[in-house]
Amino acid sequence: DVKVTQSSRYLVKRTGEKVFLECVQDMDHENMFWYRQDPGLGLRLIYFSYDVKMKEKGDIPEGYSVSREKKERFSLILESASTNQTSMYLCASSSGQGGYGYTFGSGTRLTVV
Amino acid sequence: RKEVEQDPGPFNVPEGATVAFNCTYSNSASQSFFWYRQDCRKEPKLLMSVYSSGNEDGRFTAQLNRASQYISLLIRDSKLSDSATYLCVVNMSAVGGADGLTFGKGTHLIIQP
Repeated sequence: DVKVTQSSRYLVKRTGEKVFLECVQDMDHENMFWYRQDPGLGLRLIYFSYDVKMKEKGDIPEGYSVSREKKERFSLILESASTNQTSMYLCASSSGQGGYGYTFGSGTRLTVV
Repeated sequence: RKEVEQDPGPFNVPEGATVAFNCTYSNSASQSFFWYRQDCRKEPKLLMSVYSSGNEDGRFTAQLNRASQYISLLIRDSKLSDSATYLCVVNMSAVGGADGLTFGKGTHLIIQP
């Protein structure tokens, strides 16, 4: 069964901490994505990557950075966590040009206190 | 502006009834269309793709109307387990690409016994 695995299901961090969210996929997909999902706002794209060492800003990149050193791994970094970054973070991957949809990880619920 | 619009609901429907949702999209060049299902506190999962000729999978039927730029999902003989949020997803990139999928905010369905 193909998988997108996110390293943590629940995470609590303090304001100002540097936070790393890890995502690994085993499907040899080219494309990987980080979204956050908040009530009433739906899924919002933070960053995506279509190749190793490549990254593109999504709709809400401020306060975040990403790293893709290997094809299977895409990391989201919160440089200095703030309370407004409390959210559900979802990683996804896809092959080609999105014609087959995305596969999502199970999500990381991050709380910044 | 990329946009996918859905009625957020909730739709409260008795078990066994038929329910239909619509979703409209703004980019006439959109190429591929999907319905995703998301259970509470879980990740979105692909329910079905939507083809120009329509698509049926058991009790679920999805249809595309390119002229009016909407897609629909019909659920027949609804079950309690159908209770979830249904996300309309559209590939709005004219030439495909990793950033192509745009997600609606979802329609919340509650099947009542």
